[in-house]
Amino acid sequence: DGGITQSPKYLFRKEGQNVTLSCEQNLNHDAMYWYRQDPGQGLRLIYYSQIVNDFQKGDIAEGYSVSREKKESFPLTVTSAQKNPTAFYLCASTTKTGMNTEAFFGQGTRLTVV
Amino acid sequence: AQSVSQHNHHVILSEAASLELGCNYSYGGTVNLFWYVQYPGQHLQLLLKYFSGDPLVKGIKGFEAEFIKSKFSFNLRKPSVQWSDTAEYFCAVNAQNQGGKLIFGQGTELSVKP
Repeated sequence: DGGITQSPKYLFRKEGQNVTLSCEQNLNHDAMYWYRQDPGQGLRLIYYSQIVNDFQKGDIAEGYSVSREKKESFPLTVTSAQKNPTAFYLCASTTKTGMNTEAFFGQGTRLTVV
Repeated sequence: AQSVSQHNHHVILSEAASLELGCNYSYGGTVNLFWYVQYPGQHLQLLLKYFSGDPLVKGIKGFEAEFIKSKFSFNLRKPSVQWSDTAEYFCAVNAQNQGGKLIFGQGTELSVKP
């Protein structure tokens, strides 16, 4: 089945540690996105990538980093510089960049800082 | 500040009541509009989308939405809700002048009482 796979589903991190969230898609989609979901704030865009080896900051990129070395993969690293990292993280992809395309989402990773 | 606004944060209805959830956006020019739903414990799913054409869009599970360009609105409606509609609903906008970013509203939590 085609889709977006995020792993792990739950992740615990000690303060001061970096952690990487995985996102893989086998839909042959060009664009991939990372969102953070917090109660009452909806989904906020962290980073997005419209093509391999290129990515742009979203609205809340501080404390996060990404890479896009392969079309299928768009990992997100939550660094120790992120002041409030506990949240639900969602990865998405779209068939193409620009207009007239819909996003497909992974199941999400819930990150908790302990 | 987010430029997609959902004015209802939490809506409580009884079964068979009618539903209307508001969504307004602030982008000019060409837009694509979406409503996504997140059932408890599940990933985000597309309810309906508007790209062009008829401004009244029909989606899954009896939902519909109307694009009113002059009001920058895309309100979601359902004539008669069911207990199984209990979920969180997100409005999202892809604006041509925003470089391909999909921007979400804050979300509306719908609770339907049996």
